Order: sequence, then structure tokens, then C-alpha cells
Amino acid sequence: GENVEQHPSTLSVQEGDSAVIKCTYSDSASNYFPWYKQELGKGPQLIIDIRSNVGEKKDQRIAVTLNKTAKHFSLHITETQPEDSAVYFCAASIGGTSYGKLTFGQGTILTVHP
Amino acid sequence: GAVVSQHPSWVICKSGTSVKIECRSLDFQATTMFWYRQFPKQSLMLMATSNEGSKATYEQGVEKDKFLINHASLTLSTLTVTSAHPEDSSFYICSASPALDRGLGYTFGSGTRLTVV
Repeated sequence: GENVEQHPSTLSVQEGDSAVIKCTYSDSASNYFPWYKQELGKGPQLIIDIRSNVGEKKDQRIAVTLNKTAKHFSLHITETQPEDSAVYFCAASIGGTSYGKLTFGQGTILTVHP
Repeated sequence: GAVVSQHPSWVICKSGTSVKIECRSLDFQATTMFWYRQFPKQSLMLMATSNEGSKATYEQGVEKDKFLINHASLTLSTLTVTSAHPEDSSFYICSASPALDRGLGYTFGSGTRLTVV
């Protein structure tokens, strides 16, 4: 099955700096890669996603890049703010099927210091 | 946008009792829903895939007699933890997608914190 590795496990930055989280996946058939933000005691919230036919996607301060050949994708957060502090998860799935379950990375605890 | 509602948000039960958790898709129909379990400081682990009108598909190592799933309608799936024990204490989260046939747009519920005493 699919295996998703996520690094780093913890990331500490100063407010205004950029943060980068990286993930690799094992199944070349995976074609959908979402990123989730999870705050304490809450369910994951989708912040950005990318499909395999796109190499990069940006939404304001958040961007995701995908390298299909190397089977890795990354989350980039610019101009970080204290409210960006949370746990971030990457995931991968094989879309186009009726059983498109998500496989999650291990998570990254992001702390943004004021 | 797609909204998934999960209830209760937290529950405390005595060991040996059963607890039911509900997951509802509020503005779309979901023939498939997913149930996850998350231990503190860990990632989400898929427990089972809930299929409307048919039996759920459980992941390897998940006891189907322990975690009963019922997907009786296109907007409601329930997870019942039977004969709960302290080791069942965890954060349970459901998920659904209004575009599962395209494999995207998964929305998660707010989660249920189960504590078995």
C-alpha cells in the first residue's frame, strides 16, 4: 500500500519567516495530495491540495509543489504568523476510484514565535 | 463548501458500556465515509471505510465486532464502540467527500474525544 513520509516532525520559526514541510510518497499511482492543518482537539482542516497534473499551486501565503518523478511534495508557508501554529499533515490518495482513501504523513508540529 | 458534522464532540463512558458516534454530511450526499482514530501526538489512522447500504470495509488489525459501523443513509454514518475499555480511549474522526469519484475534497468532522473510565 501507499506509504507517506513527512519531515520534519517539529518546526520552530520566528514570525515573518517561511516554513517548509516535505513529504514523500511511495505509490506512483497516487494523484491527489492534500495538506491539512489540525488545531488541538479539532478535526483536520484542508488548507491546500494539488493534483498530479499540476506542479505548483498557490493560495495567498500558502503554496504546494509536487515533483512526480521524485515522488515528493512540499508545503510552503510564507510570512508566518502565530496563528499558523498547529500540526500539519500531508496525505496522498489515488483518485478516480470509489475507494480513494487517504494515507497520512506523521505530522509536523509548527510553532511560530511572536 | 462541504460540511461534515460529528457528534458528540466528547464523551466519557464507563468500561464495558457502548458508545455511538455520529457523522453527518450536511450539504452533500456521501455514499462513502471514512473513520479514523488518532492517538495523542500521532497521525490519523484509517479504521474503516463506511459504505451506504453495505458492509463497512475494515483496515487490517481493526476489530469489526468491536467497532460497529452503520451507514444507513446517504448522509449518516455511525461508529459504535462496543464494550469499551480504557485502551479504546482516543480521538475518533470521520471524513467524507462530495467528489470521491474524482478522489478529492475530503472534509473532516470535528472529531470525538472518547474517554473510557
